[in-house]
Amino acid sequence: GENVEQHPSTLSVQEGDSAVIKCTYSDSASNYFPWYKQELGKRPQLIIDIRSNVGEKKDQRIAVTLNKTAKHFSLHITETQPEDSAVYFCAASDASNYQLIWGAGTKLIIKP
Amino acid sequence: SQTIHQWPATLVQPVGSPLSLECTVEGTSNPNLYWYRQAAGRGLQLLFYSVGIGQISSEVPQNLSASRPQDRQFILSSKKLLLSDSGFYLCAWSGVAGGTGELFFGEGSRLTVL
Repeated sequence: GENVEQHPSTLSVQEGDSAVIKCTYSDSASNYFPWYKQELGKRPQLIIDIRSNVGEKKDQRIAVTLNKTAKHFSLHITETQPEDSAVYFCAASDASNYQLIWGAGTKLIIKP
Repeated sequence: SQTIHQWPATLVQPVGSPLSLECTVEGTSNPNLYWYRQAAGRGLQLLFYSVGIGQISSEVPQNLSASRPQDRQFILSSKKLLLSDSGFYLCAWSGVAGGTGELFFGEGSRLTVL
């Protein structure tokens, strides 16, 4: 089955700088890769997703890139702001089990 | 618009006591429903999912069970809680089967087993 690894587990960046979180997956049949943001004590919410027929997707300060050959995808946040502080989770679809397989999460800390 | 409600929000239970968490979805029909658990500082662990009434798939063998008595109702239960059952439980729904669509999460239920 699918396995998703996420790095780093904690990322601290200066406000205004960029943040990059990376995930690798094992199943080449995976075709859907979402990113969720979870603020402290709250529910996860989808912030951006990408499908395997696309290499990059942007939404304002957030972008996701996908390298199918290398089986990794990354979340890029530019011009970070205090409200970007949260835990971010990547996930990949498991084609054999019809489920999402989740990374362990990255705690993003934005330093003022 | 669609909404998802989950309750109770917080509960403290003694070891060996029963558990019932309830989740309902409004504004959609035949949703795919999920129960996740999140241990402190950890990722999301899928416990159960359901594609229809009475159809439950279990991802992790444990002392928990799930039921879907109605189309938009999903219940997580236990007859006897263990200390290891402590965590943040999240119900979620999706309009797309197969793990290829957005998941909408409830606000979560924080369970502490003492």
